[in-house]
Amino acid sequence: AQSVTQLDSQVPVFEEAPVELRCNYSSSVSVYLFWYVQYPNQGLQLLLKYLSGSTLVKGINGFEAEFNKSQTSFHLRKPSVHISDTAEYFCAVSGDFGNEKLTFGTGTRLTIIP
Amino acid sequence: DAGVTQSPTHLIKTRGQHVTLRCSPISGHKSVSWYQQVLGQGPQFIFQYYEKEERGRGNFPDRFSARQFPNYSSELNVNALLLGDSALYLCASRPDPSTDTQYFGPGTRLTVL
Repeated sequence: AQSVTQLDSQVPVFEEAPVELRCNYSSSVSVYLFWYVQYPNQGLQLLLKYLSGSTLVKGINGFEAEFNKSQTSFHLRKPSVHISDTAEYFCAVSGDFGNEKLTFGTGTRLTIIP
Repeated sequence: DAGVTQSPTHLIKTRGQHVTLRCSPISGHKSVSWYQQVLGQGPQFIFQYYEKEERGRGNFPDRFSARQFPNYSSELNVNALLLGDSALYLCASRPDPSTDTQYFGPGTRLTVL
């Protein structure tokens, strides 16, 4: 079984400051990791994904994440946030494809303070 | 290109009623998945269909059912609605199950009174 823990339910950050959203996972098999963003009253948009290879993954809108197998973490970072980054962020894990269930964390609400 | 579309956008039902939600995948995508997102929670997997066959089912009661049509669109049906079924229902599509990225639609907001 797989699970995802997002340690912070809400993260307030001043505009242009850096941010890190934390995600830890557990799985008994190889995993594929994702970060999705959900803007108010919208569906989910893929920010970035880790499948294999380099542990530092770059995504859209200036976000990046680092896969750390020993710490079972996949934290999301951005060096300078903008008002438009205000949204809910979800970390998700999937097993080998063919088994396509995505298991999501409970989400982190990022609020940007002007 | 059009993304994943879902209808209706919003829906209000009363307890005990039945509801049908619809999803049209991105053109060329043959795999569709359904997720339930209760307010304040992450999405939870309900079903996955590929080539009209059920390929996976989450931990949901038999009141939940789905099907996929020859044009790869899909319906999610929920019978005997409960207050706890109030949620955002998300549909996601991908070309086939071996593709890593799922593309999500805007969802249908279901309110059960």
